Amino acid sequence: GAVVSQHPSRVICKSGTSVKIECRSLDFQATTMFWYRQFPKQSLMLMATSNEGSKATYEQGVEKDKFLINHASLTLSTLTVTSAHPEDSSFYICSARDLSGTSIYEQYFGPGTRLTVT
Amino acid sequence: SQQGEEDPQALSIQEGENATMNCSYKTSINNLQWYRQNSGRGLVHLILIRSNEREKHSGRLRVTLDTSKKSSSLLITASRAADTASYFCATAAGNNRKLIWGLGTSLAVNP
Repeated sequence: GAVVSQHPSRVICKSGTSVKIECRSLDFQATTMFWYRQFPKQSLMLMATSNEGSKATYEQGVEKDKFLINHASLTLSTLTVTSAHPEDSSFYICSARDLSGTSIYEQYFGPGTRLTVT
Repeated sequence: SQQGEEDPQALSIQEGENATMNCSYKTSINNLQWYRQNSGRGLVHLILIRSNEREKHSGRLRVTLDTSKKSSSLLITASRAADTASYFCATAAGNNRKLIWGLGTSLAVNP
């Protein structure tokens, strides 16, 4: 099956610094990737849709200047949390769609990145 | 973007019992999907049911869809401790690439 990786799996950073999270589709090309945020014991909140070769589409209430998304290739999207604050601490998950697969509606998820801002 | 509701929010059962989780949604859909998430991990796609389907099976999983009631259920038969996880439903509509997520059901299967 389609595999999506995320790096790093855990990161601790100091308040005010920036953190980059990578999301890679390992065995398929993903023109569209999604970035989610999840708080403990809650559901996923879609932050933005990342489109290869174009600007990301952000959901209402998500600051695009704070959460920078770059989808430079068909297998890599990055999320950079700029000037991180403790309230940005969360579990960040990416997913990708494999349009060549048997079900174009399925999303394949990365294992997530636990961000802790101190 | 959350539109789905799931019940129960938490479910605790004994190994071997069946577990049923329900999901309701608000708008017309193209398909409905169920995902599982183990604690602190990513999500795993379980099953997709299209709007013109009423029931679908996959191993110990049985999913039903009632579009007139805008609801779906996920039944896990003969549960195992390894089924302990959170289960989410998600809906897709039209050509929208986004999934609309339910709030999830936390299932605990006690050995």
